[in-house]
Amino acid sequence: GAVVSQHPSRVICKSGTSVKIECRSLDFQATTMFWYRQFPKKSLMLMATSNEGSKATYEQGVEKDKFLINHASLTLSTLTVTSAHPEDSSFYICSARGTSGDSYEQYFGPGTRLTVT
Amino acid sequence: GQNIDQPTEMTATEGAIVQINCTYQTSGFNGLFWYQQHAGEAPTFLSYNVLDGLEEKGRFSSFLSRSKGYSYLLLKELQMKDSASYLCAAMDSNYQLIWGAGTKLIIKP
Repeated sequence: GAVVSQHPSRVICKSGTSVKIECRSLDFQATTMFWYRQFPKKSLMLMATSNEGSKATYEQGVEKDKFLINHASLTLSTLTVTSAHPEDSSFYICSARGTSGDSYEQYFGPGTRLTVT
Repeated sequence: GQNIDQPTEMTATEGAIVQINCTYQTSGFNGLFWYQQHAGEAPTFLSYNVLDGLEEKGRFSSFLSRSKGYSYLLLKELQMKDSASYLCAAMDSNYQLIWGAGTKLIIKP
């Protein structure tokens, strides 16, 4: 099956610093990658959709200058949380959708738990 | 607006059967997904329905009625490891997933 990795799995950073999270599709090419945020006991909240080689599409209320997304290749997308604050602490999950036209399934990475102190 | 409704929490007994319902309202429809999510982990794919009817996959089955905007996930022969949250998600006309808040399933011995 399709595998998506995410790195790091956990990160603790100080307020004001930036953190980069990587999302990789290991055995398939992902034309589209999604970045989600999830608070405890809440559902997934889509932050942005990124297509390889183009700018990400951000959901309403998500600051594009704070959450920088780069989808430079068909197997890698990165999310950078800039000038992180404690309220940015959350579980960040990426997912990837392949190039097959018949499949709309999203394959999820294992998630990154960010704690900002 | 777009909306997904599913129960917040359900409790069932090991070995029994449980049905988790989901109703949806979306702008266009391109299918209904069910995902399982254990605490602290990312969701894992369970099923995808785009046509009316029942899809069976081992102990898990998923049903869809497009005219009613309704789906359910049926879990048989419940095991303790099935304790998790079950997320319903409908794909709209833009192929975006609209997520429900998830149903926390508690399995008791």
